[in-house]
Amino acid sequence: ELKVEQNPLFLSMQEGKNYTIYCNYSTTSDRLYWYRQDPGKSLESLFVLLSNGAVKQEGRLMASLDTKARLSTLHITAAVHDLSATYFCAVDDPQGGSEKLVFGKGTKLTVNP
Amino acid sequence: ETGVTQSPTHLIKTRGQQVTLRCSSQSGHNTVSWYQQALGQGPQFIFQYYREEENGRGNFPPRFSGLQFPNYSSELNVNALELDDSALYLCASSYRDRVYNEQFFGPGTRLTVL
Repeated sequence: ELKVEQNPLFLSMQEGKNYTIYCNYSTTSDRLYWYRQDPGKSLESLFVLLSNGAVKQEGRLMASLDTKARLSTLHITAAVHDLSATYFCAVDDPQGGSEKLVFGKGTKLTVNP
Repeated sequence: ETGVTQSPTHLIKTRGQQVTLRCSSQSGHNTVSWYQQALGQGPQFIFQYYREEENGRGNFPPRFSGLQFPNYSSELNVNALELDDSALYLCASSYRDRVYNEQFFGPGTRLTVL
């Protein structure tokens, strides 16, 4: 059974600082997704990573994928308050024929002034 | 291009009742997946529908059932509601192909069971 682990689960950081969120998964998968969720809202797609070594950047967020290590990182550069949200990674589970997503528990990020 | 829509946005039910949640997929998409997100947790896969048939199911009991219609919209039905069914229910649509199958999420339905 595919398992996805994120750490840390809670992250409080000051504006202007850098930090990395880690996402490990237990079995082979070539597709990894990062989502953002604001309180009471749905999931907003941030990045889709499809191959080993993939790196994508959008503003202050950069995501990378190492399929051999089964690890993805979401790096935050010079954090600002607007980045406060919960961030989820999700991995395509190829078993069973359906393309279901298995999510981590999420990282709740709070950026303080 | 119309995104994924869900109805209702909020719902309050009592234990033992039945509920139906609805989802309209994004234009051009043919696959709908349903997820349950309990408070403070990541979404959990319930099931997926493709071409009007169930195409994969997570660890949910049979009282969770669904339908997909010819226009690719979908319903999630939950019978004999329990308190633990209180959650945000998310619908996601996608276009099933051989490359990858990015899922786009709707705004969700917040179900409260009293």
